[in-house]
Amino acid sequence: RKEVEQDPGPFNVPEGATVAFNCTYSNSASQSFFWYRQDCRKEPKLLMSVYSSGNEDGRFTAQLNRASQYISLLIRDSKLSDSATYLCVVISNDYKLSFGAGTTVTVRA
Amino acid sequence: NAGVTQTPKFQVLKTGQSMTLQCAQDMNHEYMSWYRQDPGMGLRLIHYSVGAGITDQGEVPNGYNVSRSTTEDFPLRLLSAAPSQTSVYFCASSPGPVVVSTRAIYFGEGSWLTVV
Repeated sequence: RKEVEQDPGPFNVPEGATVAFNCTYSNSASQSFFWYRQDCRKEPKLLMSVYSSGNEDGRFTAQLNRASQYISLLIRDSKLSDSATYLCVVISNDYKLSFGAGTTVTVRA
Repeated sequence: NAGVTQTPKFQVLKTGQSMTLQCAQDMNHEYMSWYRQDPGMGLRLIHYSVGAGITDQGEVPNGYNVSRSTTEDFPLRLLSAAPSQTSVYFCASSPGPVVVSTRAIYFGEGSWLTVV
């Protein structure tokens, strides 16, 4: 079983729509969670950290559900520029960094 | 402000050939690492280094060697390329333990390697 799993998508949404997707992790003792954004043929770049109480950064909302062992990312009012692959990153209690395979989002005009 | 510089960006190798992917950072970071990214899989750690003269294996080290003679440079060597090593490779650096400073992970732009 993969330590971190994501729905690969693609999620194809119109501009202005809301899109949300999850990332599940297998290690219940995981301690830190992040969302990275990766554009086509580019390196991953940090989008936002995920805090226990949930957090927002503009149109992006990240949440953590420890009981069900998943994190989520919600994008409101989608823009064409939001088209990318979103990677979740989980850090375990033994300090191992694990990346999900990514969820592809395509925003269409 | 160069950050993490990775070369070459694209490379085609024949099976059995050797090559070195170069990685250099100008931020005086202690931690450097190499990942490979394959379709449907997350970034997987190949090798990492916590400082000059220190290297260790990651999740998928077979077929790769690394060295860290200076803080700035962390080359990845493919000794005898195989088609299974066709992938996208990312070098990354961080000023401290990756696990507590993910916000400060800096990635190179990636190297697309094809082994035929």
